[in-house]
Amino acid sequence: ELKVEQNPLFLSMQEGKNYTIYCNYSTTSDRLYWYRQDPGKSLESLFVLLSNGAVKQEGRLMASLDTKARLSTLHITAAVHDLSATYFCAVGPLGGGADGLTFGKGTHLIIQP
Amino acid sequence: DGGITQSPKYLFRKEGQNVTLSCEQNLNHDAMYWYRQDPGQGLRLIYYSQIVNDFQKGDIAEGYSVSREKKESFPLTVTSAQKNPTAFYLCASSIRTGKSVKPQHFGDGTRLSIL
Repeated sequence: ELKVEQNPLFLSMQEGKNYTIYCNYSTTSDRLYWYRQDPGKSLESLFVLLSNGAVKQEGRLMASLDTKARLSTLHITAAVHDLSATYFCAVGPLGGGADGLTFGKGTHLIIQP
Repeated sequence: DGGITQSPKYLFRKEGQNVTLSCEQNLNHDAMYWYRQDPGQGLRLIYYSQIVNDFQKGDIAEGYSVSREKKESFPLTVTSAQKNPTAFYLCASSIRTGKSVKPQHFGDGTRLSIL
């Protein structure tokens, strides 16, 4: 059974600081997704990571994947208040296809001025 | 604009009642999904469907039922057998290919509560 663990689950940080969210998963997979959710809202896709060593960046967010360690990171650089949200990583079963994803519990991020 | 429409936004269920949540997409996606989200928790997969007239159970299918009679529609029924239905329900869809890796697109959700 695939399990996905995120840490920390809650993070309060100041604007301008850097921080990293970690996502570990228990079985081999070849695809990992990061999503953002604002309170009471739906999920917005941020990144899709498909191969070992993959790195993607969008603005102040950068995601990476280490398939050997079964670890993905989401790094926040010089945080701004607008990045306050809950961030989820999700893993798909090996081999692709259209099966459902397994989600972590999410990291609730608060960025204070 | 293409997207996923979930309705209603809020729904209340009485004891012993079945309720149906609607999910419609105009993205021409083959695959559709239902997830449940509880406070402080991640999403858990209820059911998914890769093609019309076919669907599979997810991790927490007990007390739920679905149908997929049209490509655009994937309604979820929360039956009276689901003893703890209060949650936020999210519908999603994605492209289905041999090794689909596109992200799933999500609707805005339905919040279900017990009266």
